[in-house]
Amino acid sequence: DTAVSQTPKYLVTQMGNDKSIKCEQNLGHDTMYWYKQDSKKFLKIMFSYNNKELIINETVPNRFSPKSPDKAHLNLHINSLELGDSAVYFCASSKLGAGRGYGYTFGSGTRLTVV
Amino acid sequence: QQPVQSPQAVILREGEDAVINCSSSKALYSVHWYRQKHGEAPVFLMILLKGGEQKGHEKISASFNEKKQQSSLYLTASQLSYSGTYFCGTEWRGTGNQFYFGTGTSLTVIP
Repeated sequence: DTAVSQTPKYLVTQMGNDKSIKCEQNLGHDTMYWYKQDSKKFLKIMFSYNNKELIINETVPNRFSPKSPDKAHLNLHINSLELGDSAVYFCASSKLGAGRGYGYTFGSGTRLTVV
Repeated sequence: QQPVQSPQAVILREGEDAVINCSSSKALYSVHWYRQKHGEAPVFLMILLKGGEQKGHEKISASFNEKKQQSSLYLTASQLSYSGTYFCGTEWRGTGNQFYFGTGTSLTVIP
């Protein structure tokens, strides 16, 4: 199946821990993103990579570090997790940048709960 | 920066119509529309690239008024499967790849 796949789907962890979320797309898209969706459902861009190059880095604590080993993969590592990091994190991809005639395809999301 | 959607929430009976509006404070290059069902990922519905462009997807269509910096999503003869949260997404002119999702509109269709 062609898709954006994201793992894990659920992540429950204690404050202070470090965790990673992985994302892979087999759509041949050039651009990948990380979005955070809070309890009010706002979708906030965190990072965007185009062909392994970081092109968007919104105001995000530097505890969050994205890594793109190749254009099909984009991982998110979070250090020293805090309660406020609890949210659903979505990976997405698009052919070229969003708005250039192409929509986003989202992964199924990772629900992160920090206790 | 984030486009504002209205209404915030709407409840419809099956077969009724609805309009969701998306307004930006800046000049737009394009507008996207997405639907997110509860517990699922947002799903791309359509993109509008030109001012005045209208597009359709099943019984869901959208328009883009570039001058007013607005887009509207029209849902006609709503079905139970239309329930979810609808997001617009806007790209601004002259800002490279700046793209922001709207505030969201929760739509519930009841029998």
